[in-house]
Amino acid sequence: EAGVTQFPSHSVIEKGQTVTLRCDPISGHDNLYWYRRVMGKEIKFLLHFVKESKQDESGMPNNRFLAERTGGTYSTLKVQPAELEDSGVYFCASSQSFTFDFAGGQKRRNEQFFGPGTRLTVL
Amino acid sequence: ILNVEQSPQSLHVQEGDSTNFTCSFPSSNFYALHWYRWETAKSPEALFVMTLNGDEKKKGRISATLNTKEGYSYLYIKGSQPEDSATYLCARGYSTLTFGKGTMLLVSP
Repeated sequence: EAGVTQFPSHSVIEKGQTVTLRCDPISGHDNLYWYRRVMGKEIKFLLHFVKESKQDESGMPNNRFLAERTGGTYSTLKVQPAELEDSGVYFCASSQSFTFDFAGGQKRRNEQFFGPGTRLTVL
Repeated sequence: ILNVEQSPQSLHVQEGDSTNFTCSFPSSNFYALHWYRWETAKSPEALFVMTLNGDEKKKGRISATLNTKEGYSYLYIKGSQPEDSATYLCARGYSTLTFGKGTMLLVSP
């Protein structure tokens, strides 16, 4: 089974330019997440899709970031215009659909599978 | 504790040593604790997902424990090998994950 793939692996752009990152989740995974790690800091949540719908976009830093997941398959994250502070590693993760199940004290685990990330450098 | 915190920040051990790291997190509204192993330029690899207080998980030489009441998890590596060198990340959450900064482990031959 292919894992989560991301393209490109690296991108170097100048401040003010536009960059589009792509994520292909594991086939059949309804949930798709975008995270970002700025150098020296922790990985931070950006956005969560369930199929093609944005379930939670509370982590998106500002309106320069636009994420889409048309058709509920792959997703793109566009940064326009890019600023210096946008540099970092952008991770995508996916997981199967899940439902909360408290029967018998059991909880359904939501294991998220990560891609290798796109390293974005804004000069 | 308001955030997920990991200690130590980095660790350098010799091959064969056993080691452990700590992940501390807010104990309120707990749902799940995730451990990942991450080598730069590769995908973070899921090690464990733990949900119940007292959970213990094992995968080869790596094991983890969970205490949700006091808000901590330990990750143990027995007999470290150079290939264990990586950053070990813990994250709290079910849907959206809140990560710690990680513990960078270097195992020298």
